Amino acid sequence: EAEVAQSPRYKITEKSQAVAFWCDPISGHATLYWYRQILGQGPELLVQFQDESVVDDSQLPKDRFSAERLKGVDSTLKIQPAELGDSAMYLCASSGTSGGDSYEQYFGPGTRLTVT
Amino acid sequence: SQQGEEDPQALSIQEGENATMNCSYKTSINNLQWYRQNSGRGLVHLILIRSNEREKHSGRLRVTLDTSKKSSSLLITASRAADTASYFCATDADPYSGAGSYQLTFGKGTKLSVIP
Repeated sequence: EAEVAQSPRYKITEKSQAVAFWCDPISGHATLYWYRQILGQGPELLVQFQDESVVDDSQLPKDRFSAERLKGVDSTLKIQPAELGDSAMYLCASSGTSGGDSYEQYFGPGTRLTVT
Repeated sequence: SQQGEEDPQALSIQEGENATMNCSYKTSINNLQWYRQNSGRGLVHLILIRSNEREKHSGRLRVTLDTSKKSSSLLITASRAADTASYFCATDADPYSGAGSYQLTFGKGTKLSVIP
């Protein structure tokens, strides 16, 4: 069964350092999402891509976060510089949305980031 | 911000008992979905109910939706130890509401513990 791949699974970094996460969605899924999930909370959307275009990045802290999906397939989320408050689970999801309806989202296993 | 609010925040039951979780939301929706998250893992889609549906079944799962009360419930019958997880409701905004399409807004989740 096709899955969303994410790496690394765990990342420990010192504050002020740069960190990057990678996501490979399910083949053929045009829509890709990055979420941040703080312990004990639900996921919160950071950025949504449709193919290679950003659909919504209104919740992405653009002074330190950036996201790209250059060829409309895999995606990278970067934080520079990392802050203590960035410690969280970063989840990637994809879906096969097309005009007229919405579909379930398929989530990767996540990257657990700890900033020290 | 999180639209859905699950109730209770935590639930502990004996194996074989039924578990009921509730979700309330604030704005009009296109559909509502339930997801499960095992500890430290990604989310898994369980069931989707559209705004024009009132009840839906999938195996041991039963979901109801009351759009007049802006609420939904998830019932897990004959619970098993393997059902131990956090359960999240997620709403997909009405595409005519002006909110982003194909975006899910998650609640804070209900943490279910099934005791063998």
